Amino acid sequence: NAGVMQNPRHLVRRRGQEARLRCSPMKGHSHVYWYRQLPEEGLKFMVYLQKENIIDESGMPKERFSAEFPKEGPSILRIQQVVRGDSAAYFCASSPPRSAMNTEAFFGQGTRLTVV
Amino acid sequence: DQQVKQNSPSLSVQEGRISILNCDYTNSMFDYFLWYKKYPAEGPTFLISISSIKDKNEDGRFTVFLNKSAKHLSLHIVPSQPGDSAVYFCAARGTSYGKLTFGQGTILTVHP
Repeated sequence: NAGVMQNPRHLVRRRGQEARLRCSPMKGHSHVYWYRQLPEEGLKFMVYLQKENIIDESGMPKERFSAEFPKEGPSILRIQQVVRGDSAAYFCASSPPRSAMNTEAFFGQGTRLTVV
Repeated sequence: DQQVKQNSPSLSVQEGRISILNCDYTNSMFDYFLWYKKYPAEGPTFLISISSIKDKNEDGRFTVFLNKSAKHLSLHIVPSQPGDSAVYFCAARGTSYGKLTFGQGTILTVHP
């Protein structure tokens, strides 16, 4: 039973380019969460999605960032026109229905985005 | 506005002794607390949790204590092992079920 899969593991983008981060949840999990960890800081909540629905996007920056979790395929976190301050580790977590972020939520290994 | 704080950036402990990691929170709406362990270049791994209706939860070498009146929780690891060396994050969940608020983390080093 594969865990939460994130790809790519490392992503380098020049300022102004777009970054697409993918997350495939664990089998049977229909809830996906995205968190960001800036250097020397804890993880910060970005967005909570269920299939085809955004449940809570209170942690998403107002501009350039978007997330989706389509009926088929992985969840995508998209960052347009990246800036140096977007450099961080982005973690995805997933959980089964009705479990939200509790003991049954599992994190992926993260995507490390570097903007040069 | 740091609602969950881990005031000790690092902790060094001898193998076999107790490790105590502390966490303070300010939001009284938090009702569920979790501890995660994280190795470099990996995602956080769930360790142990506690509901606000309890004051203690134990799982093997790991015990979490919750003091609601002081808005304080702690993680005890007994006995500590070198493999426990990692960054430990406490996290809290409030009314928004999908959202955890994390502390800044404490780097635990267990010396052989």
